[in-house]
Amino acid sequence: AQTVTQSQPEMSVQEAETVTLSCTYDTSESNYYLFWYKQPPSRQMILVIRQEAYKQQNATENRFSVNFQKAAKSFSLKISDSQLGDTAMYFCAFSGTSYGKLTFGQGTILTVHP
Amino acid sequence: NAGVTQTPKFRVLKTGQSMTLLCAQDMNHEYMYWYRQDPGMGLRLIHYSVGEGTTAKGEVPDGYNVSRLKKQNFLLGLESAAPSQTSVYFCASSTPGLGFVLNTQYFGPGTRLTVL
Repeated sequence: AQTVTQSQPEMSVQEAETVTLSCTYDTSESNYYLFWYKQPPSRQMILVIRQEAYKQQNATENRFSVNFQKAAKSFSLKISDSQLGDTAMYFCAFSGTSYGKLTFGQGTILTVHP
Repeated sequence: NAGVTQTPKFRVLKTGQSMTLLCAQDMNHEYMYWYRQDPGMGLRLIHYSVGEGTTAKGEVPDGYNVSRLKKQNFLLGLESAAPSQTSVYFCASSTPGLGFVLNTQYFGPGTRLTVL
């Protein structure tokens, strides 16, 4: 069974600064997918960024980028130029090859201060 | 195109009562999932379905039943609600294929259920 661990229950950052959220996972599968989802106070789950394990290049989506270290089983999210609207709970998630089922981490609450 | 919708958005039950949560998707997705979200534990998979007429157990299936009579709908039932089932319930859907096409799930807005 896969496990996903987010060791930072809460993080805070000043507006316009950069913050990195950590995620580690454990799996015996060789091909898998990793995701970061954002959950604002509205409760809606919003996909932020995704990474395929067989791709060595780190994914980027505008201000969001990941540092994927396959050997270390680490998948961190970097948010550049933080905005007030980035305030949310962030979940790291893993999906193997079995029907796309997701395993989530515990979440990190990110607060962006003006 | 509404995506994934969930009914109801909020519900309060008494212990022992039953109810059904409805999930509907208009993206013609094959796969559908039910998760629950509890404080400090992230989302956990309850049941899932890989096609019309099929269902399978996830990580925390006890106390729940599901049905997928139509491709676009996935129902989650609580036969005898317990306080431990107080949670936020999310439905999601995805479609089989290569790469991200298979593995990107689209979520509904969630249902907050309180069992007294």
